Amino acid sequence: GAVVSQHPSWVICKSGTSVKIECRSLDFQATTMFWYRQFPKQSLMLMATSNEGSKATYEQGVEKDKFLINHASLTLSTLTVTSAHPEDSSFYICSARGGMGNEKLFFGSGTQLSVL
Amino acid sequence: QQQVKQSPQSLIVQKGGISIINCAYENTAFDYFPWYQQFPGKGPALLIAIRPDVSEKKEGRFTISFNKSAKQFSLHIMDSQPGDSATYFCAASKGNQFYFGTGTSLTVIP
Repeated sequence: GAVVSQHPSWVICKSGTSVKIECRSLDFQATTMFWYRQFPKQSLMLMATSNEGSKATYEQGVEKDKFLINHASLTLSTLTVTSAHPEDSSFYICSARGGMGNEKLFFGSGTQLSVL
Repeated sequence: QQQVKQSPQSLIVQKGGISIINCAYENTAFDYFPWYQQFPGKGPALLIAIRPDVSEKKEGRFTISFNKSAKQFSLHIMDSQPGDSATYFCAASKGNQFYFGTGTSLTVIP
């Protein structure tokens, strides 16, 4: 199946710093990528939909100025958590649509963010 | 409103047994129903998926049963193995809208 690569796998940062997470589709072009947040033992919470060449669409309650999304190419989307605080600590996962008919949703391996 | 309801929340099965996870949806416009497997600290991996024009799909030990009239679909894991122990999510989608169930934590006891 299609491969979505996400980096880094984990990051620890001090409160107030910014963290960038990269999501790449390795063997297919993804005009649309999605960013999720997942708390322990809970389901995936969609944060935003990232569209190549245009502004991301954020879900209700997600601060667009705090979670900056850039989808500069058909294979790369980035999520930057700006001025991170301990409450931003979470597991962040990206995904992209691919496969025949572009119907399948493939996920990255996730990034565990810990803000001290 | 929860678009996709998943049960049970957790499931313990003996090795070799059948694991069954159920999902129900509301929106009849959904046209794609995937199942994902997630191990701790990893992203979900696509396991198997079905479209509503098919009542059953089988891939190896994994089978999806789909009941369009009841708006329900289920995942069956035959001959469950300890390596199948993971969290399973169902989903329903239409276009770019994907709705996920709340997950089922499966433990397969040796």
